Amino acid sequence: GESVGLHLPTLSVQEGDNSIINCAYSNSASDYFIWYKQESGKGPQFIIDIRSNMDKRQGQRVTVLLNKTVKHLSLQIAATQPGDSAVYFCADRRYGQNFVFGPGTRLSVLP
Amino acid sequence: SAVISQKPSRDICQRGTSLTIQCQVDSQVTMMFWYRQQPGQSLTLIATANQGSEATYESGFVIDKFPISRPNLTFSTLTVSNMSPEDSSIYLCSVPDWGYGEAFFGQGTRLTVV
Repeated sequence: GESVGLHLPTLSVQEGDNSIINCAYSNSASDYFIWYKQESGKGPQFIIDIRSNMDKRQGQRVTVLLNKTVKHLSLQIAATQPGDSAVYFCADRRYGQNFVFGPGTRLSVLP
Repeated sequence: SAVISQKPSRDICQRGTSLTIQCQVDSQVTMMFWYRQQPGQSLTLIATANQGSEATYESGFVIDKFPISRPNLTFSTLTVSNMSPEDSSIYLCSVPDWGYGEAFFGQGTRLTVV
């Protein structure tokens, strides 16, 4: 089946800097996209989502950008904090179907 | 939102044995999903647990290896049978929001097979 992938497996950023995590998806029929954060020993937790009729959505310190032309998704974290250290997964799905998860990016926040 | 509890949270098992993982949801849901997350990897869907019918397995996963029960709308179990070290993974159950919504996850069961 089709899958979602990520460009970078690991990302290290200085505390206080902005982080950008990228994701490429392959299913042009996907209409819903989501970013999850997974901390050690925990299940994935929702961060932010976006529908295919939008190209940007902002949350608290996080922004998701969607470029359907090139099938690219990104997560921007402003003023990265130590508590942001985790693995981040993008996932996509078409309405009514299962999520397809990307391989994940490990974000490390340096003091 | 849904609150999902998994048991056990972790276990170390001998090869050749089986482990049953339980998943309890605080509300009635039509479908529950079981995922495997191998070390350092992403989530791979094992199967969809349907209440009142056989589970639907994804390519590469078979019922003999991963039997699933779904006795009611709030509970499911996944058994990892005849385990080998390659089965060492985190196993997660999930409940979807079939509208435009997120999937909710349990905390996972970390399985180590020795």
